[in-house]
Amino acid sequence: DIVMTQSPLSLPVTPGEPASISCRSSQSLLHSNGNNYLDWYLQKPGQSPQLLIYLGSIRASGVPDRFSGSGSGTDFTLHISRVEADDVGVYYCMQALQAETFGQGTRVEI
Amino acid sequence: QVQLVQSGGEVKKPGASVKVSCKASGYMFTDYFMHWVRQAPGQGLEWMGRIKPNTAVTNYAQKFLGRVTMTTDASINTAYMELTRLTSDDTAVYYCTRKNDVGTFDVWGQGTMVTVSS
Repeated sequence: DIVMTQSPLSLPVTPGEPASISCRSSQSLLHSNGNNYLDWYLQKPGQSPQLLIYLGSIRASGVPDRFSGSGSGTDFTLHISRVEADDVGVYYCMQALQAETFGQGTRVEI
Repeated sequence: QVQLVQSGGEVKKPGASVKVSCKASGYMFTDYFMHWVRQAPGQGLEWMGRIKPNTAVTNYAQKFLGRVTMTTDASINTAYMELTRLTSDDTAVYYCTRKNDVGTFDVWGQGTMVTVSS
């Protein structure tokens, strides 16, 4: 199985300030078709996870442009340009190259 | 709109089985893989497996082989996940989620809490 490792596991943030979360995979997620099979999900308190970013850097429909994803191969980052109060929750990276595996989650709190 | 509605919470005794349902609407049910993901209390997300409704082809995580069975009933657009030989470690919220054409989990059910307790 591909192991996903996130850091930090807890991230205190200040509204209006930027924030970033790192995700590292034990194997490259770069497919021969040029896509990186890495998604980012946010699970807000008491809710089901919701898709934020797919294929490493593509924002899902309806996701604010303050969220962006970068990286390739084994190292990826989720960026929030200006944190808002509504962004609190647990962020997960997930690889979809093989049988899906998730990172441990990063808890973001104000 | 595309929606997944799951069955209600369950309380089971150790050694019993549980079957969770997931009713899809708003899209062609047979065209997309349905996956199941679980989350133990205070823990992260764990992928359990998937099923393609039009072929009934399944793939299960190694951890659940021999204990999990995923099925579908296309006549009512519903997917099922059955887990047997339950232990307290199976206490979790179980989610169904659709994998779309791009290969992402774009729609999730509301989750079903399964509690295993004697």
